[in-house]
Amino acid sequence: DTTVKQNPRYKLARVGKPVNLICSQTMNHDTMYWYQKKPNQAPKLLLFYYDKILNREADTFEKFQSSRPNNSFCSLYIGSAGLEYSAMYLCASSRGLGNSGNTLYFGEGSRLIVV
Amino acid sequence: QQKVQQSPESLIVPEGGMASLNCTSSDRNVDYFWWYRQHSGKSPKMLMSIFSNGEKEEGRFTVHLNKASLHTSLHIRDSQPSDSALYLCAASTSGSWQLIFGSGTQLTVMP
Repeated sequence: DTTVKQNPRYKLARVGKPVNLICSQTMNHDTMYWYQKKPNQAPKLLLFYYDKILNREADTFEKFQSSRPNNSFCSLYIGSAGLEYSAMYLCASSRGLGNSGNTLYFGEGSRLIVV
Repeated sequence: QQKVQQSPESLIVPEGGMASLNCTSSDRNVDYFWWYRQHSGKSPKMLMSIFSNGEKEEGRFTVHLNKASLHTSLHIRDSQPSDSALYLCAASTSGSWQLIFGSGTQLTVMP
């Protein structure tokens, strides 16, 4: 089973409110990633966990938080949503690190609309 | 930071035709290229990867890589309506843990 599951699939949030997105995989993968994708733009890596170690991108460091309480589960947390957070959020996992030639397996995404 | 440029942004080909998609990295240290395909409403799925100069063929799909020009291309022969999707190119470089994606080529195959 190469399924990555994301919940919720759709989320409507008000400006200033928190948002929590959830991702799970049952492939025992070491690494889990969160990407943000806006229309006509490339998926942008926000952060990833390699085992228990969290790596966050410098330009999104303060905007997104994450937790990985066990190997299968990873969340993405926005403390105070702004309009610019409206996007598709894609979770992915890989056996090692993706840049080492390991394939990323993606979920179907969580579409966040902030109003 | 490395950029990955894809062209064209959108492409329409007739059923049975050849689709050619292009991807270029800005970083000379690129070592892997991937092609992912995302059907509407579905998750991106890895289609093919390549890290050596030359070409790689899997069924109707062929990937070329020219490391000197940092360019890869994906060719789909005998295109089918089911090939209609967003094709994302991704690249990684030695020494970096990050996989950089392009913004994609939207392919439409007309019956």
